Amino acid sequence: QVQLQESGPGLVKTSETLSLTCTLSGDSVIGYFWSWIRQPPGEGLEWIGHIYYSGSTNYNPSLKSRVTMSVDTSKNQFSLRLNSVTAADTAVYFCARDYEKIIDYWGQGILVSVSS
Amino acid sequence: QSALTQPAAVSGSPGQSITISCTGTTSGVGIVSWYQQDPGRAPKLMIYEGTKRPSGVSDRFSGSKSGNTASLTISGLQAEDEAYYYCCSYSYSTSFYVFGTGTKVTVL
Repeated sequence: QVQLQESGPGLVKTSETLSLTCTLSGDSVIGYFWSWIRQPPGEGLEWIGHIYYSGSTNYNPSLKSRVTMSVDTSKNQFSLRLNSVTAADTAVYFCARDYEKIIDYWGQGILVSVSS
Repeated sequence: QSALTQPAAVSGSPGQSITISCTGTTSGVGIVSWYQQDPGRAPKLMIYEGTKRPSGVSDRFSGSKSGNTASLTISGLQAEDEAYYYCCSYSYSTSFYVFGTGTKVTVL
């Protein structure tokens, strides 16, 4: 059973960097793409980007200048960094498996609030 | 990249069928998936590659595509189907995903 779990601070200050990690169990990061998706409170879903296990990335153009993703195959984890955050970045952040152009398994999500 | 357009809300009585549309740009809707989301929960994959159902998803859920519009049909509507539904498209031309605006399904 593939399971993903997001972890990281639930509160980030304005202009600082949001950092989240997704830990995978029941499968290996090797062989797949891994996505990050976010959902502001009461709003819809927004794809942030994905990373292949080899490290190649593709980001949403609207966030590309502020996003960095990385993967650690030894720890079976992948990570998201979003810099220069504002209140507009307050959202539930989901990590997910991205296989053959299908986002199939999702983590439970983690709420990250941005406040001064 | 603009979000795909979905109706904000669709409703139906138990046993009826409803259809949710997902309209893309003139370049089409790409490879479409559909997700069901209960409040406070992660989305659940219901349809992939436009028409295919993952194991464990009821056959009351079906997907189709015509031109630049994809559709999700729920047949034999049940109270447990009340949720938000999102389409999602992967485009080979842009190499990224776009989600729909989301549809709230209400069972009357």
